[in-house]
Amino acid sequence: GNSVTQMEGPVTLSEEAFLTINCTYTATGYPSLFWYVQYPGEGLQLLLKATKADDKGSNKGFEATYRKETTSFHLEKGSVQVSDSAVYFCALRLYTGANSKLTFGKGITLSVRP
Amino acid sequence: DTEVTQTPKHLVMGMTNKKSLKCEQHMGHRAMYWYKQKAKKPPELMFVYSYEKLSINESVPSRFSPECPNSSLLNLHLHALQPEDSALYLCASSQGDLHQETQYFGPGTRLLVL
Repeated sequence: GNSVTQMEGPVTLSEEAFLTINCTYTATGYPSLFWYVQYPGEGLQLLLKATKADDKGSNKGFEATYRKETTSFHLEKGSVQVSDSAVYFCALRLYTGANSKLTFGKGITLSVRP
Repeated sequence: DTEVTQTPKHLVMGMTNKKSLKCEQHMGHRAMYWYKQKAKKPPELMFVYSYEKLSINESVPSRFSPECPNSSLLNLHLHALQPEDSALYLCASSQGDLHQETQYFGPGTRLLVL
């Protein structure tokens, strides 16, 4: 079946540090890949997405590249801020003939210290 | 505008109560979703409506009853819930059900069952 694996958390960084959150996937086909962010007490917000191999999604200083050869979609940011503290979910979506479900990773909590 | 609204924001109910959650979007999206999210976990899909027809029911207990009165509205009727049903209930919508289409989430209803 389809699955998403995220690195274990939580992650704690100092402000302006470099961020990498690993995400790998298993899928029977060519999925679209997404990063969602959930701030405390809120719903999920789309952070960025990529729909085919070698696409790079970017938003708010975050980037992720769809790597088909390594089945990965790692999230990076050059300089994190305190306001980036949240839970980050990697997800894939694949059409299975009847519909296309969103499959989430477990999520990782990021805390950024001033 | 990529807004999905949900009401109420918070809900407390007893195990014998009947209540409803409401979700609305005005983006012209034709697919709508209900998810359940427990603390520190990813969202779990419950139901999918595609073009106002129920297309996925993820073996959800019958005490949860979805309804899609029109293409902009999605309800979740609750009856005889258990304390373990306490969670954040998220609604989402997407243009259609193709894999590259983004699901946009609402802020959620935080439900407590006593």
